[in-house]
Amino acid sequence: DTEVTQTPKHLVMGMTNKKSLKCEQHMGHRAMYWYKQKAKKPPELMFVYSYEKLSINESVPSRFSPECPNSSLLNLHLHALQPEDSALYLCASSQALGENEQFFGPGTRLTVL
Amino acid sequence: SQKIEQNSEALNIQEGKTATLTCNYTNYSPAYLQWYRQDPGRGPVFLLLIRENEKEKRKERLKVTFDTTLKQSLFHITASQPADSATYLCALDMNTGFQKLVFGTGTRLLVSP
Repeated sequence: DTEVTQTPKHLVMGMTNKKSLKCEQHMGHRAMYWYKQKAKKPPELMFVYSYEKLSINESVPSRFSPECPNSSLLNLHLHALQPEDSALYLCASSQALGENEQFFGPGTRLTVL
Repeated sequence: SQKIEQNSEALNIQEGKTATLTCNYTNYSPAYLQWYRQDPGRGPVFLLLIRENEKEKRKERLKVTFDTTLKQSLFHITASQPADSATYLCALDMNTGFQKLVFGTGTRLLVSP
């Protein structure tokens, strides 16, 4: 299984809602990532997890809260988002940190009303 | 801060020709550089990784060069096909060892039959 899966595919939420994005991989990878991608822009790194511990937080607002409950799962909890947070949220994984290719999921298209 | 620019927003070429994409960076000397392909609405897919001590790397119809003096990488697709049409992204690790990937602006390649 060389796939990273993300659910849901699409999500529409109001500014007062609380929702979660889910990412899963069964490749035995020990590093996982969240990216945000706006239209016609490159992906921007948000968080990096290594061995289930947060390694990098790219100064992301606290309304985004990542969680890595185990080595296969990565969640992104969303609360009180703004319309400008609407974007494609991509999850990726790699064997470990360092010189390793990243495997990306298909993304969750998020719209904040 | 690090700036990673890819030569043009869009590149149109005819089937069978060689496509050459450029990635230029400033203010940093990465230990390696990666290239990804992204189709609309999907996550990036890893293509090639080239290290600073490697001048050139090949994979089937793909070739990547890395010139650390010029701070530039070139990505070539030979005998291009319409199926090669996609956005191509270069990516540098800003914190070697922690996989803090920063992506270039991307080049949208269109191969016409």
